[in-house]
Amino acid sequence: AQKITQTQPGMFVQEKEAVTLDCTYDTSDQSYGLFWYKQPSSGEMIFLIYQGSYDEQNATEGRYSLNFQKARKSANLVISASQLGDSAMYFCAMRRVQGAQKLVFGQGTRLTINP
Amino acid sequence: DSGVTQTPKHLITATGQRVTLRCSPRSGDLSVYWYQQSLDQGLQFLIQYYNGEERAKGNILERFSAQQFPDLHSELNLSSLELGDSALYFCASSVEGAPTDTQYFGPGTRLTVL
Repeated sequence: AQKITQTQPGMFVQEKEAVTLDCTYDTSDQSYGLFWYKQPSSGEMIFLIYQGSYDEQNATEGRYSLNFQKARKSANLVISASQLGDSAMYFCAMRRVQGAQKLVFGQGTRLTINP
Repeated sequence: DSGVTQTPKHLITATGQRVTLRCSPRSGDLSVYWYQQSLDQGLQFLIQYYNGEERAKGNILERFSAQQFPDLHSELNLSSLELGDSALYFCASSVEGAPTDTQYFGPGTRLTVL
């Protein structure tokens, strides 16, 4: 079975600082995908970034990058130059390549950016 | 805006009642997923449809059912509602339901059972 662990229930960061949100995963699959989603207080789930297990380069999307360490089974999200609008819940998720394509989510990290 | 629409945005009903949640996927997406987000269970996968056919099932209760129509919109039916069914219900869609597809989420329907 797949499992995602996010060990930081909450984080507080000063505006303009970089922040790393931790995510570790457990799977016996060789091929899988890793995703990060942002959920602001308004409730919607916003896709941020994707990393495939066989991708050699770490994924980047604007201010978001994914620090993928396959041997350690970690997929940390790095947000550079944080902004007040980054305050939200952040969820790490994974999906198998073979079989059901459901997303398995972690419990989330609540990020608060202080001015 | 993800392009996935869900109605209604909020729903308040009583125990024992039945409700229908509606989802329209992004234009061109064939696959629809339903998820439930509750405080105690977190985000849980319920069911997936691909081009009208059920493709995968998660921890969906027997009181819940879903379908995807020929125009690709989907409905999630919840019956004999209990207090514990109060949650945020998300629909997501992807192009083909392939493993590398990104799932884009709708704004959710917040269900409150009183």
